[in-house]
Amino acid sequence: DIVMTQSPDSLAVSLGERATINCKSSQNVLNSYNNKNYLAWYQLKPGQPPKALIYWASTRESGVPDRFSGSGSGTYFTLTISTLQAEDVAVYYCQQYHSLPYTFGQGTQLEIK
Amino acid sequence: EVQLVESGGGLVQPGGSRRLSCSASGFTFNSNWMHWVRRVPGKGLLWVSHISSDGSITYYADSVKGRFTISRDNAMNTLYLQMNSLRAEDTAVYYCTRDAPGPTNHLDHWGQGTLVTVSS
Repeated sequence: DIVMTQSPDSLAVSLGERATINCKSSQNVLNSYNNKNYLAWYQLKPGQPPKALIYWASTRESGVPDRFSGSGSGTYFTLTISTLQAEDVAVYYCQQYHSLPYTFGQGTQLEIK
Repeated sequence: EVQLVESGGGLVQPGGSRRLSCSASGFTFNSNWMHWVRRVPGKGLLWVSHISSDGSITYYADSVKGRFTISRDNAMNTLYLQMNSLRAEDTAVYYCTRDAPGPTNHLDHWGQGTLVTVSS
């Protein structure tokens, strides 16, 4: 199984500042046929279902604010929130969908400083 | 609007069984692979199982293989998860979720989830 490891486990950032979450996969999740990284990011708020933010490592889902961006390739990925808003408080998960079983990172709790 | 509504959760004794259902609407159900993902309280997300659009292909996480069965009724736009030999560690919120349309396989829409508690 591909192991996904996120860092940090928790993060406190001031409103309007940048938040960065890292995700490392134990194996390459880049598909060499289409040159796409099979890596997604999800946001989980209390009492709500997970919400897809980013897929293919850097493509935003429809309706996701452009302050959210994804980057990286191969085994190392980053989710960046450029200017933190109060509504961004949540747990963020990365997930690989390159190989079965699909696997998630352990989650990163993002809070306001 | 895509909607996924789970039902069937509740309290079940260890060793018992439970069937979860997920009613889908707002999209062509028989065109999408579907998945179950669970969230253990205080812990993270764990992918449980998926099923192909026509129901012919299924796959399970090792932790549930041989105990859980995923199925679907495309005529009723409904996804199921039959859970047998339940253990305390199966206690979780179970989400129904779908593969995004097109070549990507990420999970683009999720239900609200249904809580399964395994306890005596």
